Parts: sequence; C-alpha cells; structure tokens
Amino acid sequence: GNSVTQMEGPVTLSEEAFLTINCTYTATGYPSLFWYVQYPGEGLQLLLKATKADDKGSNKGFEATYRKETTSFHLEKGSVQVSDSAVYFCAPLAGSYQLTFGKGTKLSVIP
Amino acid sequence: GAVVSQHPSWVICKSGTSVKIECRSLDFQATTMFWYRQFPKQSLMLMATSNEGSKATYEQGVEKDKFLINHASLTLSTLTVTSAHPEDSSFYICSAPKDRANTGELFFGEGSRLTVL
Repeated sequence: GNSVTQMEGPVTLSEEAFLTINCTYTATGYPSLFWYVQYPGEGLQLLLKATKADDKGSNKGFEATYRKETTSFHLEKGSVQVSDSAVYFCAPLAGSYQLTFGKGTKLSVIP
Repeated sequence: GAVVSQHPSWVICKSGTSVKIECRSLDFQATTMFWYRQFPKQSLMLMATSNEGSKATYEQGVEKDKFLINHASLTLSTLTVTSAHPEDSSFYICSAPKDRANTGELFFGEGSRLTVL
C-alpha cells in the first residue's frame, strides 16, 4: 500500500523566513499528490495539489513540485507569515481513491 | 465557511455508554463520506468509508460492531461508538469528496474529540 514520510516537526520559524517541509511517498503507479493544512481550531483544508510528474501546485504563496524520480512533493514558501502557523499534511491519492496522510508537520511562525 | 460540519465538537462520556457523532454536508450532496481517527502527533487513520444507502466499508482492524456507521441521507453520516472505553478516546474526523469522481479533494469537518472516562 501507499505510505508517506513527512518531515517531523514542530518547525518554528521567524516571520519572513523560508520554509521547506519535506515529503516522500511510496505508491503504486503515479498518484495525485496533495498538501492539506489544518489551522488551529479548524478542519483540514486543501492547500494545493499536483496530478502528474513535474506539475507544480501552488496556493497562498506555497508551492510543491511533483518529482517522480525522487518520489517527493516538498512544500515550500519563500516568506512565511504568522498566519501560516498550522499543521501541514502530505497525502498521495491511492488507486482506490483514498488519501494516505503523513503524520503532519506543525509549523509555528513567530513575529 | 465550512461545507462539512461535525457535531459535537467535543464530548465526554462514561465508560460503557455509546456516543453518536454526526457529519453533515452543507449545500452539497455526499454519497460517500470518510471517517478518520487521529491520535496525538499521528496521522489520520482511515476507519471506514460511509456509503449512502448501503453498508459502510471498514478498514482492516476496525471493529464494525464497535464503530457503527449509518449514512442515512445524502447529507448526513453518523458514527456511533458503542460501549465506549477509555482506549476509544480520540479525535474523530469526517470528510466528503468535493465531487463524485473523488479526485482527492476533500472537505473536512472540524473534528470531534471524544473523551471516555
């Protein structure tokens, strides 16, 4: 089955710092890849996605590129804000149409 | 605003009692809903897939008699934890696909924290 290895947190950054959260996966075939985010007190919500190799998903200043050769989908943002403090989940979509979630990486951005 | 709503957001119950958690899709129909369990610092573990008008599909290792799922309508799925015990204490989350094709885009509820004393 699918599995996800996600960078362990918590990650604490100062405002305007560069962010990278690593994510690698194992899957059969070429799954679609997702990043979900959970802000404090809220449910998970889709942040971005990529459906095929070399695709770049982007949203709210975050980006992630589907790297087939390294089976990775690292999340990046050039300049984080306090409002980006949340838990981030990497998730490939299995052939059975079920998402496999990583353990989540908690990001705290301090002013 | 939220498109999937869970209720209650938190509940405390005595050991041996049953607890029902509701998951509603707002302004859209969900023939399928997913129920997850999340332990502290752990990933979301898929428990079961709830199907409107038919039996739920449970993941391996999840007791279907313990975690009763009923998808009574196109906007409501319920999870009942029967004869709850302290080890059932957890954060339960539901989700519904954005579209029938289930392309991986899900709407999530806010989660329900269950504490069994």
